[in-house]
Amino acid sequence: EVQLVESGGGLVQPGRSLKLSCAASGFTFSNYGMAWVRQTPTKGLEWVASISTGGGNTYYRDSVKGRFTISRDNAKNTQYLQMDSLRSEDTATYYCARRSNYGGGFDYWGQGVMVTVSS
Amino acid sequence: DIQMTQSPSLLSASVGDRVTINCKASQNINKYLNWYQQKLGEAPKLLIYNTNNLQTGIPSRFSGSGSGTDYTLTISSLQPEDFGTYFCFQHNSWPLTFGSGTKLEIK
Repeated sequence: EVQLVESGGGLVQPGRSLKLSCAASGFTFSNYGMAWVRQTPTKGLEWVASISTGGGNTYYRDSVKGRFTISRDNAKNTQYLQMDSLRSEDTATYYCARRSNYGGGFDYWGQGVMVTVSS
Repeated sequence: DIQMTQSPSLLSASVGDRVTINCKASQNINKYLNWYQQKLGEAPKLLIYNTNNLQTGIPSRFSGSGSGTDYTLTISSLQPEDFGTYFCFQHNSWPLTFGSGTKLEIK
C-alpha cells in the first residue's frame, strides 16, 4: 500500500524557516517524481514544487522561487521542502504528492501537514 | 499561467441522479486533465487522469471527457458516498494549476 506521511509543520514567525518531510513507503520511491501541493480555504489548491526521480530537476511556482527548496533522499525514501523567509501567505496545509509513472499527474497524496506563519 | 474555471461551484443532487461538473482551461491543455475528489479533512483522491482514464479502484459510474480547453466529469448514478468537493487539475504546463472546486451535496 502506497503511504506518504508528512511531518515538520507548525507555527512559525514571519521571516523564519521551516522544513517539511514526507516519508514514503509501499513503492520504489526512487522511480517516482514527487511534489508538494498546498491548500487554503481562500486560494484552494496550489501546486508548490516538483522534483524529478533523481533530484536533478526541480520546478517551483513563482511565489516561492528563491525561498523554498525541494529535495529528496532516495536512500531514506523521503522528500523535503525547506521553506525560508516565510510569509503569512504561505500559511496552508501542505500535501506531499507522488507523480504517476504513466504521465497522469499526481496519483497519491499524503494526509497533509499544517503550516501557520504568524507573529 | 493556465486558469482553470470550474462550474458549478455548488451542486445539490439526489441519489441516482446523473451529475456533470465542468472545467474550462484558459488555453489548450492537450487532455492533461485530472479529476480529484476530496472529503473534509482528507487528502484529494485521484478519480480520472488524462481526461478519460479511470484510476484503479474507482467505480465505473465516474467518467471523464473533453479536449482542448473544455472538460467534463460525469457521475452516471450518484451514490451517497459521492459527496465531497471535486477539483480539476491541469498538468500540461508549468505552473500546474487546479480548478477552484465543486462542492457536491447529496439531497
